[in-house]
Amino acid sequence: AQKITQTQPGMFVQEKEAVTLDCTYDTSDPSYGLFWYKQPSSGEMIFLIYQGSYDQQNATEGRYSLNFQKARKSANLVISASQLGDSAMYFCAMRRMDSSYKLIFGSGTRLLVRP
Amino acid sequence: DGGITQSPKYLFRKEGQNVTLSCEQNLNHDAMYWYRQDPGQGLRLIYYSQIVNDFQKGDIAEGYSVSREKKESFPLTVTSAQKNPTAFYLCASILRTGVNQPQHFGDGTRLSIL
Repeated sequence: AQKITQTQPGMFVQEKEAVTLDCTYDTSDPSYGLFWYKQPSSGEMIFLIYQGSYDQQNATEGRYSLNFQKARKSANLVISASQLGDSAMYFCAMRRMDSSYKLIFGSGTRLLVRP
Repeated sequence: DGGITQSPKYLFRKEGQNVTLSCEQNLNHDAMYWYRQDPGQGLRLIYYSQIVNDFQKGDIAEGYSVSREKKESFPLTVTSAQKNPTAFYLCASILRTGVNQPQHFGDGTRLSIL
């Protein structure tokens, strides 16, 4: 069975510094996709970044990058130059490469950016 | 603008009552999903539908029902059989054109028991 583990319930970071949010996953599938979403206090889920299991390079999207270590089954999100607006819940999710396009989510990490 | 609309934003249920949460999308997405989120936890899949008039159970389908009569609409009914319905419910959809496509989410409905 697939599983996503986020071991950091809460994190603090100083404004303008970088922060890494951990995500480890468990799957026996050779092909899968990994996603990160941001959930502000208002509740909506905002897609941040995607990493495919066969992608050769780590994904980057603006201030977001993914430290993908396939052998360790980890897909950590790195946020550079943190901003106050980055304060939110962050969820790691995994998808099998089947027709359902279902996502399995981790329990999330609450990030608080200090001014 | 295209997007996913969930209504109502807040909903209260009385004991023994069924309530229906609305989810409408104008993104022309073929697949739609319902998730439940409990405080401080991740999202769990309730039901999903890949095409009109077809849907499948997710991990926590007991006490819930859905329909998919139109491509744009995927309402979720929380039945009286769901003994602990208080949660945040999120609807999502996706255009299944590529493996890197993310699910798009609505703004959610908060359901509470009176």
